[in-house]
Amino acid sequence: EAEVAQSPRYKITEKSQAVAFWCDPISGHATLYWYRQILGQGPELLVQFQDESVVDDSQLPKDRFSAERLKGVDSTLKIQPAELGDSAMYLCASSLTGSSTQETQYFGPGTRLLVL
Amino acid sequence: KNEVEQSPQNLTAQEGEFITINCSYSVGISALHWLQQHPGGGIVSLFMLSSGKKKHGRLIATINIQEKHSSLHITASHPRDSAVYICAAGLDGLTFGKGTHLIIQP
Repeated sequence: EAEVAQSPRYKITEKSQAVAFWCDPISGHATLYWYRQILGQGPELLVQFQDESVVDDSQLPKDRFSAERLKGVDSTLKIQPAELGDSAMYLCASSLTGSSTQETQYFGPGTRLLVL
Repeated sequence: KNEVEQSPQNLTAQEGEFITINCSYSVGISALHWLQQHPGGGIVSLFMLSSGKKKHGRLIATINIQEKHSSLHITASHPRDSAVYICAAGLDGLTFGKGTHLIIQP
């Protein structure tokens, strides 16, 4: 069964360093989501791509976060510089066409980030 | 106030018990999702529904659009059902609840 791949699974970094996360969605899925999940909370959307275009990045802290999906396939989320409050689980999900509320989203295993 | 509220936040039950997790929402929705998150972090979609009731194995999800309320039921609960159950709903994008942490003891 096809799965969403993410790497790394765990990342420990010091504040002010740069970190990057990678996501490879299910083949053929046009829509890719990056979520941040703080411990004890539900996921919060950071950015949504439709193919290579950003559809929603209203909650992305653009002074330090960036995301790209250059060829409309895999995606990279970067944080520079990392802050203590960025410690969280970063989840990637994909769906077939992008009607996000009426489609199943398939989630990757997540990247757990700890900023020291 | 969160637009998607779940109750209870934590639930511990004995194996075999009937489990109910509730979700209330204040946003307009085109669909409501129930998701399961295991301790490793991965999330699996359980149900997507916009009306009525859906059943899959021992899991049942219901929604009442007029009351803006949904429930997830687990019959004959088992320790492997222990997980965080998350409700998500929305119109243009999903708003997620904080999750219900369920522990089923043998």
